[in-house]
Amino acid sequence: KQEVTQIPAALSVPEGENLVLNCSFTDSAIYNLQWFRQDPGKGLTSLLLIQSSQREQTSGRLNASLDKSSGRSTLYIAASQPGDSATYLCAVANFGNEKLTFGTGTRLTIIP
Amino acid sequence: GAVVSQHPSRVICKSGTSVKIECRSLDFQATTMFWYRQFPKQSLMLMATSNEGSKATYEQGVEKDKFLINHASLTLSTLTVTSAHPEDSSFYICSASSGRLYGEQFFGPGTRLTVL
Repeated sequence: KQEVTQIPAALSVPEGENLVLNCSFTDSAIYNLQWFRQDPGKGLTSLLLIQSSQREQTSGRLNASLDKSSGRSTLYIAASQPGDSATYLCAVANFGNEKLTFGTGTRLTIIP
Repeated sequence: GAVVSQHPSRVICKSGTSVKIECRSLDFQATTMFWYRQFPKQSLMLMATSNEGSKATYEQGVEKDKFLINHASLTLSTLTVTSAHPEDSSFYICSASSGRLYGEQFFGPGTRLTVL
């Protein structure tokens, strides 16, 4: 059974700093991995999707990497802004079905 | 594109009543829809997967008679919480897949259910 873990559970950094969020998964037979953002009381916004054959994806100040063999992904946020404050979730899609297994989330606070 | 809506966004009901939550894909046809619940400060837990015109597939531990799912069309799925109790209070989120990209799901804004 796939298990997804995110470390740290919470992170506070001053505005302008670069930061890295971590995601690890136990079953490396994944089809893809996604990073989402969730604001309090809201649904999920997809940030980046990395196919299993890819090593990274970039969108603006966000860069996500994937090391399937070691079961790890990182989300790099450059030049953080207060608007980046949210909970970040990673999720993996395994072969065989389209279900997503979600990580435990990292609650990020950017301090102005 | 790829917008999913949910209605209502918030509902408060008395214990013992039934509540229906709608999930709609607004600009695409959803071959598959998923229902999740999320407790405070926890991650999303998949409750069931539904395909248009067929019975939903429930995850282990989810009571199918309590959480009725109907996927009547390619743009609409409903979740009915029957005889709701306070322990059913949670944040319910649906998602939809167009089938274009394996594993890609588009999420609705969620419904906050409070059972008194």
